Amino acid sequence: EPEVTQTPSHQVTQMGQEVILRCVPISNHLYFYWYRQILGQKVEFLVSFYNNEISEKSEIFDDQFSVERPDGSNFTLKIRSTKLEDSAMYFCASSGLRVGNQPQHFGDGTRLSIL
Amino acid sequence: GQSLEQPSEVTAVEGAIVQINCTYQTSGFYGLSWYQQHDGGAPTFLSYNGLDGLEETGRFSSFLSRSDSYGYLLLQELQMKDSASYFCAVRHYTGGFKTIFGAGTRLFVKA
Repeated sequence: EPEVTQTPSHQVTQMGQEVILRCVPISNHLYFYWYRQILGQKVEFLVSFYNNEISEKSEIFDDQFSVERPDGSNFTLKIRSTKLEDSAMYFCASSGLRVGNQPQHFGDGTRLSIL
Repeated sequence: GQSLEQPSEVTAVEGAIVQINCTYQTSGFYGLSWYQQHDGGAPTFLSYNGLDGLEETGRFSSFLSRSDSYGYLLLQELQMKDSASYFCAVRHYTGGFKTIFGAGTRLFVKA
């Protein structure tokens, strides 16, 4: 069964550095998402992406964050000037054109640790 | 703003039936989803309700009442492997689609 893949599985970065988290959505999906989950807390929506542009973003997704689909398969989340509070699990998800754009298929996540 | 309420924790025995409730307040409501997440794992889609009524998928069923802003997930014939966190998630439209997750219900299944 096709799946969403994310790399790396774990990223350790010094505070103030930039990180790029990578995702390969399911190939025939059209909607892409990034979520964040701080340890022990709920999953938080960051951004949705459709037709090569941001469809919606949350209050968390400020100027520090950006997303890109650099080619036909990758979907990236860039975090500039990382802060300690950016430490979390970051999940990428994708969905097709079924009713309600469900289900969303999640990748296994990238654990981001800011030191 | 948007809010979702679900119990923080539920305990049940193997073989039993458990219901996890979710109430929501949101504008532009589109549908309610349920996700399962095991410790250290990714959320896994279980069910989606866009219309009122019951959706059944094997041992799992989900219900939605849009007029009551309420839904639930029903798990039957509980197994030990069902021990996980269960999140309700509202899909809503405010110029673009967003999915907002609840805080999650931790289900403990005992032998």
